[in-house]
Amino acid sequence: GQNIDQPTEMTATEGAIVQINCTYQTSGFNGLFWYQQHAGEAPTFLSYNVLDGLEEKGRFSSFLSRSKGYSYLLLKELQMKDSASYLCACASGANNLFFGTGTRLTVIP
Amino acid sequence: DTGVSQDPRHKITKRGQNVTFRCDPISEHNRLYWYRQTLGQGPEFLTYFQNEAQLEKSRLLSDRFSAERPKGSFSTLEIQRTEQGDSAMYLCASSLEQSPPDTQYFGPGTRLTVL
Repeated sequence: GQNIDQPTEMTATEGAIVQINCTYQTSGFNGLFWYQQHAGEAPTFLSYNVLDGLEEKGRFSSFLSRSKGYSYLLLKELQMKDSASYLCACASGANNLFFGTGTRLTVIP
Repeated sequence: DTGVSQDPRHKITKRGQNVTFRCDPISEHNRLYWYRQTLGQGPEFLTYFQNEAQLEKSRLLSDRFSAERPKGSFSTLEIQRTEQGDSAMYLCASSLEQSPPDTQYFGPGTRLTVL
């Protein structure tokens, strides 16, 4: 079967750094995606990892360890607009994505 | 690039009625996906098209649900005899076929409320 675990909620301060962890179990692993979703809106693509290591994209970075079934999303220089849910998703052998329940991040002043 | 569009954005219906949603993918994308999302949960995969062919369906897609993509462009998702448990956000995504996996881009969703 497939399973993704990520914290339900996190709170961080504006300007700080926050790390959102994701552990997964899946068959036919084809990569791990991170999406951002503001309340009432569609998920928007943030990052994708298929090989072990860190992918950096501006203020956002994502890390993958396939042997550990582990990923994290790192957000630097937090801004109030970063308050959103962050969804970890695995691409399996097929083309669909299996999503976690998401981590709701609240950025406080 | 106009992005993925969905229509309607909101739909309120009475239990037992049929509803149909439309999705227009990004124009050059040949793959199209439908997901369902309920409050506090991540999106759940429903079905996937490559061009006009429906290649995969989730067990979540009961026989009351049907999806089509007749010309390989827009897609429709129909729910017959709606039930209160069908209330959810229905999301459409599209992608361009490439070395797997593709990056999927989501539309704004159709929020369905069944009374």
